[in-house]
Amino acid sequence: GAVVSQHPSRVICKSGTSVKIECRSLDFQATTMFWYRQFPKQSLMLMATSNEGSKATYEQGVEKDKFLINHASLTLSTLTVTSAHPEDSSFYICSATFTASGSYEQYFGPGTRLTVT
Amino acid sequence: QKEVEQNSGPLSVPEGAIASLNCTYSDRGSQSFFWYRQYSGKSPELIMFIYSNGDKEDGRFTAQLNKASQYVSLLIRDSQPSDSATYLCAVKRRSGGSYIPTFGRGTSLIVHP
Repeated sequence: GAVVSQHPSRVICKSGTSVKIECRSLDFQATTMFWYRQFPKQSLMLMATSNEGSKATYEQGVEKDKFLINHASLTLSTLTVTSAHPEDSSFYICSATFTASGSYEQYFGPGTRLTVT
Repeated sequence: QKEVEQNSGPLSVPEGAIASLNCTYSDRGSQSFFWYRQYSGKSPELIMFIYSNGDKEDGRFTAQLNKASQYVSLLIRDSQPSDSATYLCAVKRRSGGSYIPTFGRGTSLIVHP
C-alpha cells in the first residue's frame, strides 16, 4: 500500500506556543489530504480537507485561524496548531488519497501525539 | 447530517471463531465503503474496500455491502488474538472533486484465546 509519513510523531509544547505537523505522501502524489483529530477512546474527527494549491475546507466547529493548513505540493501538507492550549492535546492524524484505477483509497500517516502543558 | 453507525462493543469472540462487524449509513449517495483496523495508540490501517453490492473476499476477511439496506459488514474468519483492535467503518461520498469520508465510531473487537 501507499506510504504516508508524519513528523513529528510526538511533541510536547507549552501553552501559548505553536506547533507544526508535517504530512508527506512518500511514493505517490496525493490529490487530497485530510486532517483528523482523535481523543482517547473517541472516533476520528475530520478537521479539514485540503487539495494541493487551494484553501483547505474546514469542518463545522473547527477554527481555521487556530488550525492552519497549508497544502503546498502534491506530496506535502502541514497543520499548524497556533497558540496551543491543553485542550488541544490530542492525536492528530493525516491521510492522503489518490486516484488509482478509479479507486479512492485513503492511507493514513502514523499520527502525531500532541501534549500541551 | 451524514451518519455512519457502528456498535461500539466490545465484541468478544473466541479464537478461531467468525467475528461479524456491522455498519449502517444514512447517506444514500455514498459511493464507496471501507473498513479500517486501528490498534490502540496507532493510526488506522486499511483492511478492505468495497464499491458494489455483494461480497468481497480477501484472505480471512469478507466485506458485504447491501446498498438497498444501507448496510455494510466485515466478517473475520478464524479470528486470532492479533485481530483484537477497533474496526472503523468509513463511507465516502463525492463532493466536488473530492471523496469526503465519514467514519463510524468504531467497534472494539476482542479475540480471546
